[in-house]
Amino acid sequence: DIQMTQSPSSLSASVGDRVTITCRASQSINSYLNWYQHKPGKAPKLLIYAASSVQSGVPSRFSGSGSGTTFTLTISSLQPEDFATYYCQQSYGNLLFTFGPGTKVDIK
Amino acid sequence: QVQLVQSGAEVKRPGASVKLSCRASGYTFNYYYVHWVRQAPGQGLEWMGIINPNDGSATYARKFQGRVTMTRDTSTSTVYMELSGLRSDDTALYFCARDQMNYYMDVWGQGTAVTVSS
Repeated sequence: DIQMTQSPSSLSASVGDRVTITCRASQSINSYLNWYQHKPGKAPKLLIYAASSVQSGVPSRFSGSGSGTTFTLTISSLQPEDFATYYCQQSYGNLLFTFGPGTKVDIK
Repeated sequence: QVQLVQSGAEVKRPGASVKLSCRASGYTFNYYYVHWVRQAPGQGLEWMGIINPNDGSATYARKFQGRVTMTRDTSTSTVYMELSGLRSDDTALYFCARDQMNYYMDVWGQGTAVTVSS
């Protein structure tokens, strides 16, 4: 099974900061990597699919990059509504999917 | 609009089974697979499995094989997830989500809370 890791596991940041989260896969997954934002008690929200494509309606401050085994999610200027937990998710082959452990972004 | 509406909260005893529903609207039900994902208290998102509404075939995460069954009713555009042998660590918020191209999950249900307690 493909394993996903994320770093850091949590971070504290201020409004306006640039934030970068890294996700690594245990084997190459090409660009089969997606990013979700999740707030407590709410449904997760798709931000980025196929490593770098921004989902419709998602603010342009969110961007994704990477391929193979290493991927990044960047928030160019953190806004108050961005405090949440962010998960990467792989979808490489055979209808088996895996989420990363998550990165919690909170207020400094 | 595209929606997934899930059934209400459940409270179950250890060892029991629970069957959750997820009703789709606003799109052609047979065209899109549906995932089930859960989040236990203080834990991350955990993928449980995926069902193809067109033929009813399903693929389950290794962790849940033997305990989970996903089915669908095309007449009501509803998918179901049944989890048996419930334990306290199955207490979680369970989500269904629409699949896009076996790649990503673009529309999510509101979640169903399941509490397992004696």
